[in-house]
Amino acid sequence: EAGVAQSPRYKIIEKRQSVAFWCNPISGHATLYWYQQILGQGPKLLIQFQNNGVVDDSQLPKDRFSAERLKGVDSTLKIQPAKLEDSAVYLCASSALDYSTDTQYFGPGTRLTVL
Amino acid sequence: AQSVTQLGSHVSVSEGALVLLRCNYSSSVPPYLFWYVQYPNQGLQLLLKYTTGATLVKGINGFEAEFKKSETSFHLTKPSAHMSDAAEYFCAVSRMEYGNKLVFGAGTILRVKS
Repeated sequence: EAGVAQSPRYKIIEKRQSVAFWCNPISGHATLYWYQQILGQGPKLLIQFQNNGVVDDSQLPKDRFSAERLKGVDSTLKIQPAKLEDSAVYLCASSALDYSTDTQYFGPGTRLTVL
Repeated sequence: AQSVTQLGSHVSVSEGALVLLRCNYSSSVPPYLFWYVQYPNQGLQLLLKYTTGATLVKGINGFEAEFKKSETSFHLTKPSAHMSDAAEYFCAVSRMEYGNKLVFGAGTILRVKS
């Protein structure tokens, strides 16, 4: 079965510019997650979707970050405007259900560098 | 609130030696526990997880971990390290009471010397 797909793999932008990341989860997975992984730290959950509804966005900086999940499948994460501290790897993950015991399957990530 | 502490940001072992990566959690109730591995430029891959039942959990690639409630620990071990084990390892916890989300430790980079 195909894994979680993300694009682009790498992105370099200047501060105050905008950027968007795309994620295609494993087919049939109801739950989709976006994580931010800053160098030297573990991934931190930004937002969690159950189908096309938001379950948890408590750690999403809503003044500059936005995310949507179209028709409960693909998802995009946008940053506008970007700051230097947004430099990180953005990981997308999906799981079949929304249980705390579920295995989350991760994509390869998008490495964002903000100059 | 939940938190995860991984002791040692870098661990170095010789090929064939025992691998021990430490993880302690802080939670008011025993959480569900996970170990993930991340190879360079790749996403995270699940090694093993503890939910209920037997406290010694076996995972992929010869790794295992033991849940010790009294010590609030979930250390990862492998009897004999292989060069291909070099990667970054993350311990994580989740619990329904906290919205099912994974909370990760800071990670431990494992280096295997020939």
